[in-house]
Amino acid sequence: QVQLQESGPGLVKPSQTLSLTCTVSGGSISSGSYYWSWIRQPAGKGLEWIGRIYTSGSTNYNPSLKSRVTISVDTSKNQFSLKLSSVTAADTAVYYCARVTPGNDYSYYFDYWGQGTLVTVSS
Amino acid sequence: SYVLTQPPSVSVAPGQTARITCGGNNIGSKSVHWYQQKPGQAPVLVVYDDSDRPSGIPERFSGSNSGNTATLTISRVEAGDEADYYCQVWDSEVVFGGGTKLTVL
Repeated sequence: QVQLQESGPGLVKPSQTLSLTCTVSGGSISSGSYYWSWIRQPAGKGLEWIGRIYTSGSTNYNPSLKSRVTISVDTSKNQFSLKLSSVTAADTAVYYCARVTPGNDYSYYFDYWGQGTLVTVSS
Repeated sequence: SYVLTQPPSVSVAPGQTARITCGGNNIGSKSVHWYQQKPGQAPVLVVYDDSDRPSGIPERFSGSNSGNTATLTISRVEAGDEADYYCQVWDSEVVFGGGTKLTVL
């Protein structure tokens, strides 16, 4: 059973860089045709996709966040990470990591999720 | 960018059938996935590829997709089904619907 766990600071100051890591257990991050993704959810609001990475290092990002986002992978540690720069209060949210599985018709879905971690942007 | 439209809320009595819609331009040509999210918890995949269920998801959950509307159907609704439900597609990027709050009366 694949499990994902987010970790990182719960409080980030405005204009600084938010950094989170997702540790994958129960399987190798490099096995299978999976991507690995970050999704966030502000309190009381819906889900927002941030981006995804393949173990080759290939990435796709949400166009609205692309200029500020970097997702990387460390296969030796079975981890992938998120960096979001120049944060503001609008970036306050619960951040989830998830496994991305290919579906039909070149579609993708999230079959395993971490429990989520709240990141607050405040001085 | 592609937009998915869900009703903000749906209410249903226990034992009845709930239908949650997800509208999008020619969504029938895409594969639609559905997630259930209970308060304080991470989302859970309940239907993928329009109508397939992951292991462990009750048969009461089913999906369909045609034309401009995809539908998640929950039969014999139980109190434990009360949650937010999100649809999702891939359109060169991940797109989520705005979510529907299912209330069990």
